[in-house]
Amino acid sequence: EPEVTQTPSHQVTQMGQEVILRCVPISNHLYFYWYRQILGQKVEFLVSFYNNEISEKSEIFDDQFSVERPDGSNFTLKIRSTKLEDSAMYFCASSPDRDMNTEAFFGQGTRLTVV
Amino acid sequence: AQKITQTQPGMFVQEKEAVTLDCTYDTSDPSYGLFWYKQPSSGEMIFLIYQGSYDQQNATEGRYSLNFQKARKSANLVISASQLGDSAMYFCAMRVPQNNAGNMLTFGGGTRLMVKP
Repeated sequence: EPEVTQTPSHQVTQMGQEVILRCVPISNHLYFYWYRQILGQKVEFLVSFYNNEISEKSEIFDDQFSVERPDGSNFTLKIRSTKLEDSAMYFCASSPDRDMNTEAFFGQGTRLTVV
Repeated sequence: AQKITQTQPGMFVQEKEAVTLDCTYDTSDPSYGLFWYKQPSSGEMIFLIYQGSYDQQNATEGRYSLNFQKARKSANLVISASQLGDSAMYFCAMRVPQNNAGNMLTFGGGTRLMVKP
């Protein structure tokens, strides 16, 4: 069964460093998302991406964050100058269309720890 | 703005019994979709069941069913015949149309379900 894959599964970084979280969405999907879950809290939407551009972003997704689909298969989230409060589980998701009844398929997540 | 509320931070259920996880939502959009996801301790998000706002019948998927009460804006998840492997966090989520956004999900705070042997 096709699945969304994320690498790495766990990343530890020094405060102030840049990190890139990588995702390979399901191959025929058109919509891509990043979500964040701070430990013990709810899952929060960060950004959606369609047709090679950001289609929606939350207030969390400020200038520190950027997304890219560099080669038609990978979908990356870059966090510049990481802060302690960026420590969270980051989920990539994809969906084939924007129909209301289509679920988003989630990856297994990348746990980012900023020290 | 959309809002999802899960009022039960944690619940216990005896193995083989049924359990209901509550979810209420708020939106002014007449078209929306409601989803339940399971998050085991390993962390991944697993889709369980979907209910559309215009669906006439409650959704069912195996042991999962959704008690959809539109007038009360509730979409409770019912798990029948609980199994030890059902122990996990459960998230209710809502999607409303968002132009070209692909319909992002808004999540509730989750309910931790613990199944007792």
